[in-house]
Amino acid sequence: AQRVTQPEKLLSVFKGAPVELKCNYSYSGSPELFWYVQYSRQRLQLLLRHISRESIKGFTADLNKGETSFHLKKPFAQEEDSAMYYCALTPGGTSYGKLTFGQGTILTVHP
Amino acid sequence: DSGVTQTPKHLITATGQRVTLRCSPRSGDLSVYWYQQSLDQGLQFLIQYYNGEERAKGNILERFSAQQFPDLHSELNLSSLELGDSALYFCASSVAPGTTYEQYFGPGTRLTVT
Repeated sequence: AQRVTQPEKLLSVFKGAPVELKCNYSYSGSPELFWYVQYSRQRLQLLLRHISRESIKGFTADLNKGETSFHLKKPFAQEEDSAMYYCALTPGGTSYGKLTFGQGTILTVHP
Repeated sequence: DSGVTQTPKHLITATGQRVTLRCSPRSGDLSVYWYQQSLDQGLQFLIQYYNGEERAKGNILERFSAQQFPDLHSELNLSSLELGDSALYFCASSVAPGTTYEQYFGPGTRLTVT
């Protein structure tokens, strides 16, 4: 069975400060990891996935298989980054795509 | 707008009742997923369909069932409702099943069981 843990329910930072949202997972195989974001009054949407190794809206996330982590980072937070962030996992190499989500972290960026 | 639509937006019903939630995927998407978001359990995968056939099952109760119709819309049926079934139910769709394809989420249906 797979599990995703986001230890922080709430995270507050000031604009311009670095931000790191933590995500740890447990899965015996090779997982695919994602970060989803839900802005106020908007739908849940994909922010980034580890296989694409790209930076979206200044956010990056590196899969650390040794520590089974997939933390989301941004060097300089912006007020518009305030949102709910979910880390999610799916078994790699399968044709299912079902996602296992963490409990989510509410990020608030203060001016 | 991701294009996934869900109806109704809100639903209030009593314990023991049965409800049907509807989802229309984005144009061209063949795979539909249902998720339940509750305060205690978070976002949980329920069931997935691909081109009318059940593809994967998650933590879906026996009182719940779903199907995907030939026009690719999907319905989630919840019966013998209990207070604990109160939650936000999301539908997502993707072009095909599998991790390669991004899932696009609908706005959700908020179910309140009283």
